[in-house]
Amino acid sequence: DGGITQSPKYLFRKEGQNVTLSCEQNLNHDAMYWYRQDPGQGLRLIYYSQIVNDFQKGDIAEGYSVSREKKESFPLTVTSAQKNPTAFYLCASTLLSGSNTGELFFGEGSRLTVL
Amino acid sequence: QKEVEQNSGPLSVPEGAIASLNCTYSDRGSQSFFWYRQYSGKSPELIMSIYSNGDKEDGRFTAQLNKASQYVSLLIRDSQPSDSATYLCAVRENNQGGKLIFGQGTELSVKP
Repeated sequence: DGGITQSPKYLFRKEGQNVTLSCEQNLNHDAMYWYRQDPGQGLRLIYYSQIVNDFQKGDIAEGYSVSREKKESFPLTVTSAQKNPTAFYLCASTLLSGSNTGELFFGEGSRLTVL
Repeated sequence: QKEVEQNSGPLSVPEGAIASLNCTYSDRGSQSFFWYRQYSGKSPELIMSIYSNGDKEDGRFTAQLNKASQYVSLLIRDSQPSDSATYLCAVRENNQGGKLIFGQGTELSVKP
């Protein structure tokens, strides 16, 4: 089945540790995105990538890093520099051309808790 | 800073009623608008997209767009308890890349 797979679903981290969240899609989508959601809040954009080997900062990129070495994969690293990393992280993808351009499809999310 | 505004709610309606969810946006050049439904603890799922002024109907859902007023709404007819969720309005920026900007969401509660 086509879709977006995020792992792990739940992750606990000690302060000072880096963690990497995985996002893989088999939809042949061009662009991939990482959003963060805090309780009772909307989605805030961390990073996005429209093409392999290129990515741009979103609104809250500080303390995060990404890579896009393959079209299908867009991992997010939450570094120790991120001061308040406990949140629900959502990966999404979309086509950049065609009739449904811009419709984002989301993975199931990864819930990160800092102990 | 481009913004998308929604009433956070909660909006409570009785079962069978029409639920009306509203959204305003600041980027006058935006051309693409989306409504997502998010159940508690789950990821958002796309329920409607609209690109032209007027109404777009899909089953019990109707999206309405008024670009002149920078206003988009979602109507849910014959509301069911299973419609209880947070509804997120999203607007695509009118520039290269066209990121989606999300509102903070409106929590809808449908009472049996």
